[in-house]
Amino acid sequence: EPEVTQTPSHQVTQMGQEVILRCVPISNHLYFYWYRQILGQKVEFLVSFYNNEISEKSEIFDDQFSVERPDGSNFTLKIRSTKLEDSAMYFCASTRLINTGELFFGEGSRLTVL
Amino acid sequence: AQKVTQAQTEISVVEKEDVTLDCVYETRDTTYYLFWYKQPPSGELVFLIRRNSFDEQNEISGRYSWNFQKSTSSFNFTITASQVVDSAVYFCALTERAQKLVFGQGTRLTINP
Repeated sequence: EPEVTQTPSHQVTQMGQEVILRCVPISNHLYFYWYRQILGQKVEFLVSFYNNEISEKSEIFDDQFSVERPDGSNFTLKIRSTKLEDSAMYFCASTRLINTGELFFGEGSRLTVL
Repeated sequence: AQKVTQAQTEISVVEKEDVTLDCVYETRDTTYYLFWYKQPPSGELVFLIRRNSFDEQNEISGRYSWNFQKSTSSFNFTITASQVVDSAVYFCALTERAQKLVFGQGTRLTINP
């Protein structure tokens, strides 16, 4: 069964460093998402992406975050200058059809900022 | 605005007991989807069920069952004859047309042997 894959599964970085989290959505999917979960808290929407542009973003998704689909298969989340509070699990998700409610999640990338 | 409330932060039961996880939601839309996800200690989100707002039929899948009541804006989840492997954090979530999910705070369920 096709699945959303994320790399790395765990990354440790120093505060102020740039981090790129990678996702490979399911191949025929058109809508892509990033969610974040700070340890012990709920999962929060960060950003949605369609047709090579951001379709919606949350208040959390400030200027230090960016997303892109560099090569038609990967979907990346970049954090320019990491802060301690960026430590979280980051989930990528994708779907083929909007309005179906069917969303496929990756297994997550755990980011630890020291 | 959409909102999902899981009032039970933590539940602890003994194996084989039945347990119900509550979920109450708010939305202004008439078309929406409700979900339950399981998050085991390994951290991934495991999809359990999706329900659209037009389908109020309750659903049973093995030991799991879901009770959707639009009149009370609730979508409760019951595990029958709980097992230690059911221990996890369970999230209820809601999405409207944009497919953006709004999650509840989660309920940590511990099943003791």
